[in-house]
Amino acid sequence: DAGITQSPRHKVTETGTPVTLRCHQTENHRYMYWYRQDPGHGLRLIHYSYGVKDTDKGEVSDGYSVSRSKTEDFLLTLESATSSQTSVYFCAISDSPSGELFFGEGSRLTVL
Amino acid sequence: GENVEQHPSTLSVQEGDSAVIKCTYSDSASNYFPWYKQELGKRPQLIIDIRSNVGEKKDQRIAVTLNKTAKHFSLHITETQPEDSAVYFCAAKDNYGQNFVFGPGTRLSVLP
Repeated sequence: DAGITQSPRHKVTETGTPVTLRCHQTENHRYMYWYRQDPGHGLRLIHYSYGVKDTDKGEVSDGYSVSRSKTEDFLLTLESATSSQTSVYFCAISDSPSGELFFGEGSRLTVL
Repeated sequence: GENVEQHPSTLSVQEGDSAVIKCTYSDSASNYFPWYKQELGKRPQLIIDIRSNVGEKKDQRIAVTLNKTAKHFSLHITETQPEDSAVYFCAAKDNYGQNFVFGPGTRLSVLP
């Protein structure tokens, strides 16, 4: 498996609180992605990064922000969590735009 | 933007039978079509992919076919085994975007 870890793996929080999920890779891959997975929707892109400090929005970016200050770390922040953001979040990495996506193990977030 | 549909949403087959999952896409510029397998509670993992200059690709019991004119591609699994039980996702990608657009997934159950 590619060297990619997510933390925390599980989190329960309350509506209105900030939450940060971390993705850490040891593969030195340029491209990093945050997806959310919900039943019936597959995997939907939240934000992605194509280099340090280079990020862009995906199809479901509202309510989320990201930062990438180092090649190996990609942070996803929910400034004020809502119940609609209850989901499983997957980080993925790739060495090229059309290369294989390697996924992390996922972070299950529950917003009460 | 790209839209990927996937059918069926659930599929049950007897062990040893074949399984076929079909996906359609909307953007004629898409040229890379991977398939991911996700076992229960695990991360999605690439099982096979195909690029637009190829009509079919095989890897042991798994094959993918692509019809660019009709804008659809299919996953074929022969001689199914219980360990093939999982959720399968198709995806489409073009050269210009940074996003893999995923289908909603197919839950395959292989019955002993």
